[in-house]
Amino acid sequence: QTVVTQEPSVSVSPGGTVTLTCGLSSGSVSTRYFPSWYQQTPGQPPRTLIYSTYTRPSGVPDRFSGSLLGNKAALTISGAQADDESDYYCGLYLRSGDVIFGGGTKLTVL
Amino acid sequence: EVHLVESGGDFVKPGGSLRISCAGSGFTFSYAWMSWVRQAPGKGLEWVGRIKSRDNGGTTDYSAPVKGRFIISRDDFTDTLYLQMTSLTSEDTAVYYCTTEVSGIMGGQTSGAGMNHWGQGTLVTVTS
Repeated sequence: QTVVTQEPSVSVSPGGTVTLTCGLSSGSVSTRYFPSWYQQTPGQPPRTLIYSTYTRPSGVPDRFSGSLLGNKAALTISGAQADDESDYYCGLYLRSGDVIFGGGTKLTVL
Repeated sequence: EVHLVESGGDFVKPGGSLRISCAGSGFTFSYAWMSWVRQAPGKGLEWVGRIKSRDNGGTTDYSAPVKGRFIISRDDFTDTLYLQMTSLTSEDTAVYYCTTEVSGIMGGQTSGAGMNHWGQGTLVTVTS
């Protein structure tokens, strides 16, 4: 069974830069997995930050960027702000077309 | 502006059925791949399934936990997405989100490439 791994929690100082990662229980993440990133604050629906590894939907600030880092996908947030404090989920596509989400990373800005 | 509005969430008894809907606007619905993603209380996101656009065959894919119990359909005349759920259990209790799904090409084949727009969600509670 494929498991998508994320850091359970990460913290960043206001104005700082932080990188969240998204890996696979076995194997490396590449562009063929179309990694995507979603931000969710309590009581709200998810918001798409990145899809297809690097692409930001319109309206998403360029402080958020997607990349591949070693054998993982990565979301980098620069100039962290208080309202970046959220849960962040990554999603990967399997060859079958199924989408697997990671368990999420709780980002604290302090 | 894209809008997705889910409706139909309700309390259902175990073993029961329910159909929820998602009305889309602000985009060309008939060309959109659409997915359902759910989130159990206090838990993470779980992909439920998708329906491709008619020009991509209009076919459906489902996650293992719902395959054979859930059916996704679409009405491109009314720009509405449906999720018919049967044989419901407490494990199906969740907020169900409707999403548009980006499509991409990999290895010469069309694939999903990430969710884009999300609705506000509708809560389905399976309880006796």
